[in-house]
Amino acid sequence: DAGVIQSPRHEVTEMGQEVTLRCKPISGHDYLFWYRQTMMRGLELLIYFNNNVPIDDSGMPEDRFSAKMPNASFSTLKIQPSEPRDSAVYFCASRRASYNEQFFGPGTRLTVL
Amino acid sequence: GQQLNQSPQSMFIQEGEDVSMNCTSSSIFNTWLWYKQEPGEGPVLLIALYKAGELTSNGRLTAQFGITRKDSFLNISASIPSDVGIYFCAGQGVTGGGNKLTFGTGTQLKVEL
Repeated sequence: DAGVIQSPRHEVTEMGQEVTLRCKPISGHDYLFWYRQTMMRGLELLIYFNNNVPIDDSGMPEDRFSAKMPNASFSTLKIQPSEPRDSAVYFCASRRASYNEQFFGPGTRLTVL
Repeated sequence: GQQLNQSPQSMFIQEGEDVSMNCTSSSIFNTWLWYKQEPGEGPVLLIALYKAGELTSNGRLTAQFGITRKDSFLNISASIPSDVGIYFCAGQGVTGGGNKLTFGTGTQLKVEL
């Protein structure tokens, strides 16, 4: 079975540009999570969806961040405008409703210059 | 956000040695998960624990769900070079609708040949 798929794997952009990160969860998984990982703060949950509906976005740092899940097989995390402090690795994870085990994608390393 | 206390922070051991690490929380969890992360990759799930006192093995890895439900332990027997990486614990409780994971600060394992 394919795991969680994320694209792009690396993104370098300039401050002020819009950035869109993409995620395809594991087929049949009901929950999708977006995380950010930095050396200083570790893994932080940004937002999660259940059956394509955003449930908790309390971890989204600012209004510059937005996430959507238009269908069960696709989600995006958008940053507009991007800032250097947004530089981090962004992970997407998914899980089934009946299990607490989350499976992570390979991540997108974002660098904002 | 909250992070679990994980120790040791790093370990430098000889190949063939056994490794122990633990994770403690001030909150009760109903699930403990252990992940391994290698450079440039996402966390990979190693072991999932669902019941207090539970002891579960995955090859040379053994993890235990503490009886108090506030801690968990991971042991690696006869370490090999490919065990190198960062090991994270994660707990899931009843806060956040029971869907959020709280992650440990990580234990970096280095194996000397």
